[in-house]
Amino acid sequence: GENVEQHPSTLSVQEGDSAVIKCTYSDSASNYFPWYKQELGKRPQLIIDIRSNVGEKKDQRIAVTLNKTAKHFSLHITETQPEDSAVYFCAASTGGGNKLTFGTGTQLKVEL
Amino acid sequence: GAVVSQHPSWVICKSGTSVKIECRSLDFQATTMFWYRQFPKQSLMLMATSNEGSKATYEQGVEKDKFLINHASLTLSTLTVTSAHPEDSSFYICSATWDRGLDGYTFGSGTRLTVV
Repeated sequence: GENVEQHPSTLSVQEGDSAVIKCTYSDSASNYFPWYKQELGKRPQLIIDIRSNVGEKKDQRIAVTLNKTAKHFSLHITETQPEDSAVYFCAASTGGGNKLTFGTGTQLKVEL
Repeated sequence: GAVVSQHPSWVICKSGTSVKIECRSLDFQATTMFWYRQFPKQSLMLMATSNEGSKATYEQGVEKDKFLINHASLTLSTLTVTSAHPEDSSFYICSATWDRGLDGYTFGSGTRLTVV
């Protein structure tokens, strides 16, 4: 089955700096890669996603890149703000509404 | 948008008792429901996948007789933790697909289960 690895497990940045979180996946059939933000005790919230036919996607301060050959994808957050502090999860799916396999999570802390 | 209502949001039960968690899709038909468990400071681990009208498919290592999943209708799926023990204390969360073509997933709000 699919295995998703995520690094780093914790990330501390100064407000205004950029943050990068990286994930690798094992199943070459995976073609849908969402990123979620989860605050303590809450449900995961989709922040951005990318499909395998696209190499990069951007939404304001958030961007995701995908390298299908290397089977890795990354989340980039620019101009970080304190409210970006949360746990971020990457995930992978073979699409078509099939199950999501989550990465191990990254605790992002944005310090003033 | 697609909404999944999950209840209860938290529950405390005595060891040995059973607890039922419900997830209802409010404005769409959830043909597939995924059930996840999340321990503190850990990731979401898929427990099982349930399709309406058929038996759930459990992930390796998940006891099907302990975690009973019912998906009798297109809008309701339930997870029953039977003979709960303190080690079952966790955050349980459901997720449904609302548009397979767009890879739409929506999550319930989660249930914090504490077994004492």
